[in-house]
Amino acid sequence: DIQMTQSPSSVSASVGDRVTITCRASQGIRNWIAWYRQKPGKAPELLIYATSTLQSGVPLRFSGSGSGTHFTLTISSLQPEDFATYYCQQSSSIPTLTFGGGTKVDIK
Amino acid sequence: EVQLVESGGALVRPGRSLRLSCAVSGFTFSSNWMTWVRQAPGKGLEWVANINQDGSEKYYVGSVRGRFTISRDNAKNSLYLQMNSLRAEDTAVYYCARRPRWAQTWYMDVWGKGTTVTVSS
Repeated sequence: DIQMTQSPSSVSASVGDRVTITCRASQGIRNWIAWYRQKPGKAPELLIYATSTLQSGVPLRFSGSGSGTHFTLTISSLQPEDFATYYCQQSSSIPTLTFGGGTKVDIK
Repeated sequence: EVQLVESGGALVRPGRSLRLSCAVSGFTFSSNWMTWVRQAPGKGLEWVANINQDGSEKYYVGSVRGRFTISRDNAKNSLYLQMNSLRAEDTAVYYCARRPRWAQTWYMDVWGKGTTVTVSS
């Protein structure tokens, strides 16, 4: 099974900060990674798919990059609504899926 | 408006069964793969099962294979998860989610709000 390791597990930041979250796959997953934001008590929301494609309606401060086994999600200027938990998800082994362990972004 | 609404969550004793439902509206349900994802209290997301458009292909995470069954009724625009032999570790919020029919890779663009399953004696 492909494992997804997210880091850091948590990060403290301020409004306006640049935040980068990393996801490492246990083997190459091509560009088959998506990123989600989950606010407390809410369902996940899709941010990015296919490594770097922004989902419709998602603000441009979110971006994704990477290849092979190393992928990143960057929030260029953190906004109040971005204090949440973020998950990566690989689908190279479709139709089975794997999520990363999550990164909690909280207020410094 | 595209909408997924889960129901059926409850408090059940270990070893018992439960059936979750997901009512879909706002898109052509029969065109999409569908997914169940769960989240144990204070934990991360875990993929549970996928089903293809006509229900002929089903896939499960190892921990539920043989106990859970995913199904769908396209005439009723509904997705189901039959959960048998429930264990304490199945306690979670269960989300249904849609894979876009145009997706080249696999991701879920629409999620329900979830339904809570608690397995406890």
